[in-house]
Amino acid sequence: EVQLVESGGGLVQPGGSLRLSCTASGFTFSNYWMSWVRQAPGKGLEWVANIKQDGSEKFYVDSVKGRFTISRDNAKNSLYLQMNSLRAEDTALYSCVKHLSGPEYWGQGTLVAVSS
Amino acid sequence: QSVLTQPPSASGTPGQRVTISCSGSRSNIGTNIVNWYQQLPGTAPKLLIYTNDHRPSGVPDRFSGSKSGTSASLAISGLQSEDEADYYCATWDDSLNGWVFGGGTRLTVL
Repeated sequence: EVQLVESGGGLVQPGGSLRLSCTASGFTFSNYWMSWVRQAPGKGLEWVANIKQDGSEKFYVDSVKGRFTISRDNAKNSLYLQMNSLRAEDTALYSCVKHLSGPEYWGQGTLVAVSS
Repeated sequence: QSVLTQPPSASGTPGQRVTISCSGSRSNIGTNIVNWYQQLPGTAPKLLIYTNDHRPSGVPDRFSGSKSGTSASLAISGLQSEDEADYYCATWDDSLNGWVFGGGTRLTVL
């Protein structure tokens, strides 16, 4: 059974940093593209970033370029999102997503709140 | 404003057939595959349709997807109360170099 467990969320002041982690199990992590997708309270889904199986390709939504960095450690079956220079509009539930033909399976997410 | 346009709401009565549209452009739907997701209240999104018209195992055949040109549609036949949820389309956008989601459609079963 596929399991994706996110951690690292919390309350942070504007301009602060957080590092999100996702631990995967139930599938061969190194074989799949992975993404982070966020959902602001009461809003729709927004793709944030994705990363190729070996980490050689990474893509980001324009609003986070230069501030967020996606990475992975296949030996630890883990996905990460380093978030710097956080803004109020980054407040959302951040979910780790396994790809197949696009985003396929979501974790339950970790909540990030940016507020002073 | 989402790159992919969906109606914000849709409704139907039990047993009815409803369709949800997703309109894009040449750089996204016109070139790439479309997926559909169902998000029940308070839960994570679930893949409903992948690669335009394929159902993952476990998804009832009441759900079907199609794509034509720069638009895609999700059809739900034999509507049931448990189908009440938010539905999202998604595809890759070659101009943005990223995945894009529609704004979502809230389906109400009357």
